[in-house]
Amino acid sequence: GQQVMQIPQYQHVQEGEDFTTYCNSSTTLSNIQWYKQRPGGHPVFLIQLVKSGEVKKQKRLTFQFGEAKKNSSLHITATQTTDVGTYFCAGGTSYGKLTFGQGTILTVHP
Amino acid sequence: DTAVSQTPKYLVTQMGNDKSIKCEQNLGHDTMYWYKQDSKKFLKIMFSYNNKELIINETVPNRFSPKSPDKAHLNLHINSLELGDSAVYFCASSHGQGDGYTFGSGTRLTVV
Repeated sequence: GQQVMQIPQYQHVQEGEDFTTYCNSSTTLSNIQWYKQRPGGHPVFLIQLVKSGEVKKQKRLTFQFGEAKKNSSLHITATQTTDVGTYFCAGGTSYGKLTFGQGTILTVHP
Repeated sequence: DTAVSQTPKYLVTQMGNDKSIKCEQNLGHDTMYWYKQDSKKFLKIMFSYNNKELIINETVPNRFSPKSPDKAHLNLHINSLELGDSAVYFCASSHGQGDGYTFGSGTRLTVV
């Protein structure tokens, strides 16, 4: 079955440093979605990428979808303490199934 | 107004009991889901309903039975609870099957 692998599992950064999490799928995806889950909270939808090679930005967050539509990345510039949480990618197939990666837990030290 | 609401928020129960978790969405979405999040934060799909019809049923023990009385509600009933069922259960909804999900706040189930 479809697998979505996400690395790293954990990332500890100092406030102001950059952060990147990577997502790889075993199969070609129709779309990739990214979610953020704050500690004790629920996943919150951030963005969806659909096109091969697509790049989208949300303030300090940059999302990329690979040319082969099998990988994606989320990059945060100059992290802040409000960025702490778990970031999930989720790969979507043409028949609507969404498979979540294992998530990257980000901690930011002030 | 809460978009996707789940009740209860916390559930502590003994092994062997039967319990239900309710979920309601007021977003007018057509598709609803149940996810299980284990202690390692892994989110695993359990069920998906589109307009009251079951469309995804992953390899979940048949002690778990979803029920969708209408497209705004998707409840989860669990029979004969086991220790391994302890987890956070999230309900979610989306406009269509390829759209972003809105998650509920979760139900933390603890089986003792």
